Amino acid sequence: GNSVTQMEGPVTLSEEAFLTINCTYTATGYPSLFWYVQYPGEGLQLLLKATKADDKGSNKGFEATYRKETTSFHLEKGSVQVSDSAVYFCALSAYNQGGKLIFGQGTELSVKP
Amino acid sequence: KAGVTQTPRYLIKTRGQQVTLSCSPISGHRSVSWYQQTPGQGLQFLFEYFSETQRNKGNFPGRFSGRQFSNSRSEMNVSTLELGDSALYLCASSITGALNTEAFFGQGTRLTVV
Repeated sequence: GNSVTQMEGPVTLSEEAFLTINCTYTATGYPSLFWYVQYPGEGLQLLLKATKADDKGSNKGFEATYRKETTSFHLEKGSVQVSDSAVYFCALSAYNQGGKLIFGQGTELSVKP
Repeated sequence: KAGVTQTPRYLIKTRGQQVTLSCSPISGHRSVSWYQQTPGQGLQFLFEYFSETQRNKGNFPGRFSGRQFSNSRSEMNVSTLELGDSALYLCASSITGALNTEAFFGQGTRLTVV
């Protein structure tokens, strides 16, 4: 079946450090891929998405590239800020599955000043 | 425009009781999905409704049910509550729920079963 695997957290970084959160997926066909972010006490917010191979999603300095050959969608940011501290979820939406999103386990990011 | 609204925000129930959670989607959105979030299992898909019809269902027991009204508002019901049902329940809406459309999430309902 379809699934998403994320690197385990928590990840602790100093401000202005480089961030990578790994995400790989298993799916039939060509899924759409998403990164969502959850701040404490909040619901999920879409951070970025990519809908086909080699697409790059980007938002607020975060980027992720849809790599079909490695079935990956790693999240990167060149310089993190304290305000980026949150839990990050990689997710996929598969063909013919309607609005169903399959999420990874989430990666908690803590950025220290 | 108003976001996805979930009510109530917090609930405490006793084992064996039943509970109903409500979700009002963004105006114009016809797809509503429900997710259960727990520390151990993460985010798990419960079901999706589109135009008052259940379109997709996750692997949850029949105690979990839902419905959608003609105005796209949705409710989910959990009967015979168990301690393990304690979780954050999230609702998400999208225009059509199609493959690449964005889902907007509410803040969730925190259910505690004692």
